[in-house]
Amino acid sequence: SQQGEEDPQALSIQEGENATMNCSYKTSINNLQWYRQNSGRGLVHLILIRSNEREKHSGRLRVTLDTSKKSSSLLITASRAADTASYFCATDATGAQKLVFGQGTRLTINP
Amino acid sequence: ETGVTQTPRHLVMGMTNKKSLKCEQHLGHNAMYWYKQSAKKPLELMFVYNFKEQTENNSVPSRFSPECPNSSHLFLHLHTLQPEDSALYLCASSQYRGLETDTQYFGPGTRLTVL
Repeated sequence: SQQGEEDPQALSIQEGENATMNCSYKTSINNLQWYRQNSGRGLVHLILIRSNEREKHSGRLRVTLDTSKKSSSLLITASRAADTASYFCATDATGAQKLVFGQGTRLTINP
Repeated sequence: ETGVTQTPRHLVMGMTNKKSLKCEQHLGHNAMYWYKQSAKKPLELMFVYNFKEQTENNSVPSRFSPECPNSSHLFLHLHTLQPEDSALYLCASSQYRGLETDTQYFGPGTRLTVL
């Protein structure tokens, strides 16, 4: 069964607004990772958050992790047109030794 | 550039052809991965190699044959493919961390079309 599921599947906002994407998963994890993919290209790693961490920041990105609810969120502040891409969460389930990716959130930033 | 290169970037092949995809990483990693990305489906892990040894085969049909001659190179040999195998094939590498999966670095992918 799929481990990570993103919500919403698609999100369209105006430039300058904040974008929030959520990820839910089913089993215990070592870490959870967020990736970005521009259309037809490879994935680019954004942030890795470990199971004992609650929040991490990287530039305009903020990731939270709630292991009791088995969920994570990715917040992009002050969005830009260049942030238009698909965003994926990937979970490293305990004992799995591999990442399982969700279906992703398609984010569109309108100028 | 992520330090992971893939060739070719685009490939069109007939169902009776034999072709190979190549991946090379320049990051000093010792784990490499093949993923398949089809439209409207999650990224699917195909194979995992740690220190040149295959540690994961995610029930991939035998018409896909991986090869890892060293920690920097990974191949995917293709033969007698089906049209439903058309997809973006992504290679990734990471540092092997034992029980925890580290950040993965992806190549740009090979867009495969099977006629």
